[in-house]
Amino acid sequence: QVQLVQSGAEVKRRGASVKVSCSASGYTFTDSYIHWVRQAPGRGLEWLAWINPRSGATHYAQKFAGRVTLTRDTSISTAYMEMSSLTSDDAAMYYCARTVAPGWETAFDLWGQGTMVIVSS
Amino acid sequence: DIQMTQSPSSLSASVGDRVTITCRASQTIDTYLNWYQQKLGKAPRLLIYAASNLQRGVPLRFSGSGSGTQFSLTITSLQPEDFATYYCQQSYSAITFGQGTRLEIK
Repeated sequence: QVQLVQSGAEVKRRGASVKVSCSASGYTFTDSYIHWVRQAPGRGLEWLAWINPRSGATHYAQKFAGRVTLTRDTSISTAYMEMSSLTSDDAAMYYCARTVAPGWETAFDLWGQGTMVIVSS
Repeated sequence: DIQMTQSPSSLSASVGDRVTITCRASQTIDTYLNWYQQKLGKAPRLLIYAASNLQRGVPLRFSGSGSGTQFSLTITSLQPEDFATYYCQQSYSAITFGQGTRLEIK
C-alpha cells in the first residue's frame, strides 16, 4: 500500500550525527516532494527541509541550514535526513512527509510513522 | 519567516458541538494554508488543503475558509474521535506551522 516507512529509534551522544531514512512504497517516489518535520516531546511541529526526489534539489529552513543534509536514493525509493552536531534540543520525533502534488508548497498528505531521536550526554 | 498564530491554544467542547479554530498569518499567504489533525502518539493527518479543500476521506463536518492572513477551521457536530490537536501550516514562503490548538472533551 501507499506508505512511508522510517527507520527505527536512535540514541546519540551530544555532538554526534544521526541519519534517518524514509522508504516510500505504493507510489512513484519521484512524483512528490519529501519534507522533514520534527516534534519535540509535548511541543508543536517544526519544519526542517524538503527534497525533490526527481532532481535532488533541496531547501532548508534557515535554522537548520548547514546542520541538516537531505539526500535520496531513487533506486530504492528512499529519502534520508542527516543532522550533525546534535544537542539536547534536537531530541524529538522526526517525520518525513510526502506532498499531495508535485510542488514543494503543496500539503503533506502522507506521513511516515516517525523516528524518535534521543540525545544523551 | 512568516509567523502563524492559532487561537485558542486549547478548547473544551462537547460531542455534538460546533467549534471554530482560527489561524492568523503575519503576512499575506493567499490560500497557501493547510490544516492537520494530530492524535497522541500519531503522525499528523491532512484535513484541509489550500485553505478550503477537503482532503479525500475526511468527513464533511470539517471545513476550512479564509485567505490572505485570516483562516479558520470549523468542525460541526463534534464526534468523539475529533478530540485531538489541530495545526495550521503555511507554505507561501518556506513552511511554518501554528503552535497548535488542543481540543479537549468538556
